[in-house]
Amino acid sequence: AQSVAQPEDQVNVAEGNPLTVKCTYSVSGNPYLFWYVQYPNRGLQFLLKYITGDNLVKGSYGFEAEFNKSQTSFHLKKPSALVSDSALYFCAVSFASGGSYIPTFGRGTSLIVHP
Amino acid sequence: DAGVIQSPRHEVTEMGQEVTLRCKPISGHNSLFWYRQTMMRGLELLIYFNNNVPIDDSGMPEDRFSAKMPNASFSTLKIQPSEPRDSAVYFCASSSGTLSSYEQYFGPGTRLTVT
Repeated sequence: AQSVAQPEDQVNVAEGNPLTVKCTYSVSGNPYLFWYVQYPNRGLQFLLKYITGDNLVKGSYGFEAEFNKSQTSFHLKKPSALVSDSALYFCAVSFASGGSYIPTFGRGTSLIVHP
Repeated sequence: DAGVIQSPRHEVTEMGQEVTLRCKPISGHNSLFWYRQTMMRGLELLIYFNNNVPIDDSGMPEDRFSAKMPNASFSTLKIQPSEPRDSAVYFCASSSGTLSSYEQYFGPGTRLTVT
């Protein structure tokens, strides 16, 4: 079975500082990993994904994530946070080749960027 | 592209009434997902269609819930009879393939309140 954990319910960071939102996963095969963002009263919006290749993935709005196979992690990062980055962030994982087609979502992490 | 379209955006109904939520996926996408989001349970997958065929409905909470996809451009989620515990935000999402590597595109959601 596949699972994903977001260990922090909330992350607070000052504007201009780097931010990290953590995600760890568990799958029996090679993972496909995703990050989504949800702004208030909106649906989830795709940010980036890791399928294969370079462990550092770049996505929308200056976000990036690093795939670490040994630590089974896929942390979301941004060098300089903006107040407008404040939102709910979801990590998701699915199997490669033959596994579930359906991503499993984490519980979400609320990112609050203070001016 | 207009993105995933959901209607209505808000629905308030009394316990026992029938509720029908509607979704139009992105043109060309062949997978469609219905989710429910609450504070207590987070994001729950209810049912998943591929090429208009229901593939996995194990997340449908009980027989009061039913979903259909009569064609590639339309799906409905029906609750009959509705109960207060069904109050939640319901999201429809679509993706362009069956493989686990495809990201999902979410609609704006329908906020359902059952009194």
